[in-house]
Amino acid sequence: AQSVTQLDSQVPVFEEAPVELRCNYSSSVSVYLFWYVQYPNQGLQLLLKYLSGSTLVESINGFEAEFNKSQTSFHLRKPSVHISDTAEYFCAVSDRRGYQKVTFGTGTKLQVIP
Amino acid sequence: DGGITQSPKYLFRKEGQNVTLSCEQNLNHDAMYWYRQDPGQGLRLIYYSQIVNDFQKGDIAEGYSVSREKKESFPLTVTSAQKNPTAFYLCASSMSSGRSTDTQYFGPGTRLTVL
Repeated sequence: AQSVTQLDSQVPVFEEAPVELRCNYSSSVSVYLFWYVQYPNQGLQLLLKYLSGSTLVESINGFEAEFNKSQTSFHLRKPSVHISDTAEYFCAVSDRRGYQKVTFGTGTKLQVIP
Repeated sequence: DGGITQSPKYLFRKEGQNVTLSCEQNLNHDAMYWYRQDPGQGLRLIYYSQIVNDFQKGDIAEGYSVSREKKESFPLTVTSAQKNPTAFYLCASSMSSGRSTDTQYFGPGTRLTVL
């Protein structure tokens, strides 16, 4: 069985300040890791994912996440947030054994304050 | 444009009625999924289908039913047996029979309210 813990349900941050959204996972097998973003009243969109190789992955809009196997973490960071980053962010893990059983975290609402 | 459509966006139902939520994709994806989203609980998997005419129960299938007669369509029926159906329902699809590396693409969701 696998699980995902997002430690913060809400994170308020001022515009242009840095932010870190925390994600920890547990699994008995190796996993793939994902971050999805959900804007109000919309579906989820993939932000970035870690499959293999470099443990630091980046998105096109300035977010990055680092896979830390020893700490079983995949925290999401952005050095300077914008108002348009206000959304809910979901961390997810996928079992490497074959079928895509994806387990989602409970989400973190990022509120950027002007 | 390729994508996933869900209809309707908002749906109201009286207790005791069955209701069907539509999900259509033109991405030529093999796998499709239904999730339920409740505040503070994230997404929970209801049903998934890796190929036409085949589907499996997810973590919270009780009170729901699905069909997969066409590759592009995966409708979800919320039956009167579902104890607490008010929620936001999300449909998703992924490319190749649900390989674990595949990105899931989500529809815009249907918000169901039981009156």
